Amino acid sequence: QSVLTQPPSASGTPGQRVTISCSGSSSNIGSNYVYWYQQLPGTAPKLLIYRNNQRPSGVPDRFSGSKSGTSASLAISGLRSEDEADYYCAAWDDSLSGFVVFGGGTKLTVL
Amino acid sequence: QVQLQESGPGLVKPSETLSLTCAVSGYSISSGYYWGWIRQPPGKGLEWIGSIYHSGSTYYNPSLKSRVTISVDTSKNQFSLKLSSVTAADTAVYYCARGPTTRQAGDFDYWGQGTLVTVSS
Repeated sequence: QSVLTQPPSASGTPGQRVTISCSGSSSNIGSNYVYWYQQLPGTAPKLLIYRNNQRPSGVPDRFSGSKSGTSASLAISGLRSEDEADYYCAAWDDSLSGFVVFGGGTKLTVL
Repeated sequence: QVQLQESGPGLVKPSETLSLTCAVSGYSISSGYYWGWIRQPPGKGLEWIGSIYHSGSTYYNPSLKSRVTISVDTSKNQFSLKLSSVTAADTAVYYCARGPTTRQAGDFDYWGQGTLVTVSS
């Protein structure tokens, strides 16, 4: 059971806009930044969004992040076949002595 | 270009200690950043194990803290993971990564390719 909750799957057709949600609590998303990772099949995760809505250099602006209260979302516009991957949210959690928490991941299928 | 490469045994016996090393190239560990270990059981999600600063300051996932030691060797530009008393539940792909940028963050911007460690007798 992950600390951050994501839907296990999502899907969309090419060109469509898709959103993936990430739900947490006051000790993580509610008081800290959210990060998003993309993991293509058989590869290491790649940082997609940092500090809620910032894109690292090289990440297309089709990817955007947002946060409200204890939830966050990743939006992918102009969906492409190469976006088919697993997506994970992450955040710092202030509970106990503090630690990094990940969501369970969402498998995005491009139909 | 920052590159990370994990190395270590791919098979560890139950109750023994898992040991992995991450060699960093293209960036000096002494220049800054935290450096971390993350694992992913087959077919499952990501789990942060812990991170270390170049000074040697460490912090760990509370669920693994009693069994984990992360150390750094700045002279070799590498850092290491030891996980003791392993069981089959520790079977996973282990990734090393640069990050986070600050202690209370979750951004890992460069990752190794990952190494599968299987716990079995």
